[in-house]
Amino acid sequence: DAGVIQSPRHEVTEMGQEVTLRCKPISGHDYLFWYRQTMMRGLELLIYFNNNVPIDDSGMPEDRFSAKMPNASFSTLKIQPSEPRDSAVYFCASSFFSYSSYEQYFGPGTRLTVT
Amino acid sequence: GQQLNQSPQSMFIQEGEDVSMNCTSSSIFNTWLWYKQDPGEGPVLLIALYKAGELTSNGRLTAQFGITRKDSFLNISASIPSDVGIYFCAGRTANAGGTSYGKLTFGQGTILTVHP
Repeated sequence: DAGVIQSPRHEVTEMGQEVTLRCKPISGHDYLFWYRQTMMRGLELLIYFNNNVPIDDSGMPEDRFSAKMPNASFSTLKIQPSEPRDSAVYFCASSFFSYSSYEQYFGPGTRLTVT
Repeated sequence: GQQLNQSPQSMFIQEGEDVSMNCTSSSIFNTWLWYKQDPGEGPVLLIALYKAGELTSNGRLTAQFGITRKDSFLNISASIPSDVGIYFCAGRTANAGGTSYGKLTFGQGTILTVHP
């Protein structure tokens, strides 16, 4: 089975430009998560969805960040306008609901560089 | 908010040696997960733990869910060069049905270097 798919793998953009990161979760998973990883702050949860509905967006740093999940197989994270401090690796992860277990699987990440 | 203290921050060992790392928290967790991250890749799930006192193995890896539910340990036996990477612990507090069901709190990671 395919794992979590993210695109692009690398993105270089200039400050002020709009950036859109994409994610396809594992088929059948009903939870989707967006994380940001930096050396200084480690792995931070930005937002997560359950059945395409945003549940907790308390980690979204600013209004410049927005995330959508129009259907069960696709989500986007958008930054507009981008700033150099947004440079980081962004991960998407997915999991499925279970009363007896909990496993969260990560995609390969998108490395974003804002110049 | 919740914080996980993971130690050590880094380890330099010889191939064949055993490795131990741990995570501690001021909060009680219901689930502990251990991940490994290779350079340029996403974290890969190694082991999941669900009950206090639980001991689970995955090949040369063994992890334990502390009986206080505030800590967890990961051991790697007979290390090999491909064990190199960053190891993360992650904890989850909520049970099924809670509003924070999906949220994980991550440790800062342990960087493992294995010398051949």
